[in-house]
Amino acid sequence: EDQVTQSPEALRLQEGESSSLNCSYTVSGLRGLFWYRQDPGKGPEFLFTLYSAGEEKEKERLKATLTKKESFLHITAPKPEDSATYLCPKEVSGSSNTGKLIFGQGTTLQVKP
Amino acid sequence: NAGVTQTPKFRVLKTGQSMTLLCAQDMNHEYMYWYRQDPGMGLRLIHYSVGEGTTAKGEVPDGYNVSRLKKQNFLLGLESAAPSQTSVYFCASSYLVVGASGYTFGSGTRLTVV
Repeated sequence: EDQVTQSPEALRLQEGESSSLNCSYTVSGLRGLFWYRQDPGKGPEFLFTLYSAGEEKEKERLKATLTKKESFLHITAPKPEDSATYLCPKEVSGSSNTGKLIFGQGTTLQVKP
Repeated sequence: NAGVTQTPKFRVLKTGQSMTLLCAQDMNHEYMYWYRQDPGMGLRLIHYSVGEGTTAKGEVPDGYNVSRLKKQNFLLGLESAAPSQTSVYFCASSYLVVGASGYTFGSGTRLTVV
């Protein structure tokens, strides 16, 4: 059964303090691992798609990496505006190209100035 | 370009009442989805559609019905609302190859059933 687990549930950082968010997933035919950002009261916003182990994607202070069992979102020198909940769903295996995603609970990041 | 628009944004229902949530997208996306988001549960798939005139059940479909009569619209209905359906509902849409740019989500409908 597909499963996504994110850790930690909550993370507080000082501005400029780099860290990583973890996303572990069941390895049953990975069709795509995604990262989204969700601000309070808004819908999730797409950040990255990763397909295979060793793949990396970057956007400003964010860098997503993928291994065979985990994905990491590295945040370098974060700013207060990076505060949000980060989600890492994976495409459901065996879903016959329906695009269904399974989500974990997310990691809520707070960056203090 | 509006993207995905959900109406209404907020609603309070009494137990047993019915309502329809509307999702409209202007990106010519084939796939559309309804998710609910509850504290500590993450986003869970209710129903989805892979094209006009087609719908299918997701992970938590009980108590909900959907219709996709037009490609750009995906409606979620609650026939007899229950307090357990208090949640934030998100609609999303995507191209045929989801990975290309992921989903585009709407801003959500916050529903309270009393």
